[in-house]
Amino acid sequence: ETGVTQTPRHLVMGMTNKKSLKCEQHLGHNAMYWYKQSAKKPLELMFVYSLEERVENNSVPSRFSPECPNSSHLFLHLHTLQPEDSALYLCASSQATGVSNTGELFFGEGSRLTVL
Amino acid sequence: ILNVEQSPQSLHVQEGDSTNFTCSFPSSNFYALHWYRWETAKSPEALFVMTLNGDEKKKGRISATLNTKEGYSYLYIKGSQPEDSATYLCAFEEYGNKLVFGAGTILRVKS
Repeated sequence: ETGVTQTPRHLVMGMTNKKSLKCEQHLGHNAMYWYKQSAKKPLELMFVYSLEERVENNSVPSRFSPECPNSSHLFLHLHTLQPEDSALYLCASSQATGVSNTGELFFGEGSRLTVL
Repeated sequence: ILNVEQSPQSLHVQEGDSTNFTCSFPSSNFYALHWYRWETAKSPEALFVMTLNGDEKKKGRISATLNTKEGYSYLYIKGSQPEDSATYLCAFEEYGNKLVFGAGTILRVKS
């Protein structure tokens, strides 16, 4: 496989469930990202793992928790979500040359999450 | 809070028309400006990453210009085709910070 792959592509969960989104990149990149795409809103950065440093958007609720066990894998753990968390969650990777440089992003096809 | 504005919000053109979109961003602390194309049911795909004021980049019928002093970038599509139908996203990268995306311009090309 090449590129960035995300699983599952679709997920429906209740507010009391715990689930995880998975992302894998086969590009040898050193940075991985989670973005959220809500209806009619710009792509919003949630978390970054770049050069082994984690950077997060302080506005992301604690019911979302990322995990990056190595440079090729990224998870987003979900627990006690709210209906307003329903959105498309995109994973991306890039070859960052420094903490201040993102580089060209390579995206997965996204995981469509519906919270009932 | 950084503001990245894209206009128009949506655009419908006929096949063969040429079109252009605008991305406006802060003119201070510029590092890079990205353009992405996002087709329905696919992943966003990078078109250009631009870093120098006055830069012009071209990929086939698509080209982009960059003015960092006044804070804008134009994306041009020459002779639009139905396969150009997509959402076009720009993203501003400030030095020391991560990308901030605009809301996108939705292009529909009718054959």
